[in-house]
Amino acid sequence: AQTVTQSQPEMSVQEAETVTLSCTYDTSENNYYLFWYKQPPSRQMILVIRQEAYKQQNATENRFSVNFQKAAKSFSLKISDSQLGDTAMYFCAFMKHGSGGGADGLTFGKGTHLIIQP
Amino acid sequence: DTAVSQTPKYLVTQMGNDKSIKCEQNLGHDTMYWYKQDSKKFLKIMFSYNNKELIINETVPNRFSPKSPDKAHLNLHINSLELGDSAVYFCASSHGDSRYEQYFGPGTRLTVT
Repeated sequence: AQTVTQSQPEMSVQEAETVTLSCTYDTSENNYYLFWYKQPPSRQMILVIRQEAYKQQNATENRFSVNFQKAAKSFSLKISDSQLGDTAMYFCAFMKHGSGGGADGLTFGKGTHLIIQP
Repeated sequence: DTAVSQTPKYLVTQMGNDKSIKCEQNLGHDTMYWYKQDSKKFLKIMFSYNNKELIINETVPNRFSPKSPDKAHLNLHINSLELGDSAVYFCASSHGDSRYEQYFGPGTRLTVT
């Protein structure tokens, strides 16, 4: 079984600053996928960014980027030029590579509550 | 158009009752999931299901059962509700290949009194 650890229960930064959320995971799998999901107060789960473990290049989506260190089993999320709308819970998640259908589902970390201050 | 919908969004009921939460997706996905988010915001997979197999998280009590009338629907039925079942339940769907994003429904907040 795999585990995902987010060691920062809450973080607070000023608007326009850069913030990094940490995530580590433990698995014996070699092929897997990592995700960051955002959950604003509306409680809707929104995908922020995803990373395939077999790709060395770090994923980037506009202001969001990851630092994926496979050997260290680390997957941090960097948010640049933070905005008030970035205030939310952020969940790191792991999914092992499935053989098509019947996937085990996402394993989530406990989340980091990110607050962007004006 | 809503991609993944759940009904109801809020459900208040008494201990011992039986209730169902419905989930529908119009994305043409072949795999659907149920997750439980507890009061501390921790999300945990309960079931994943496609037309080939059902995978049940071993920690889920057998009072919980998923029912899928067709590929677009995966309902969650709960028997003999307990106080500890109070949580937000999320339905999600994806293509069967695990590389693809899971799309989540808006969640159903279940309160058992």
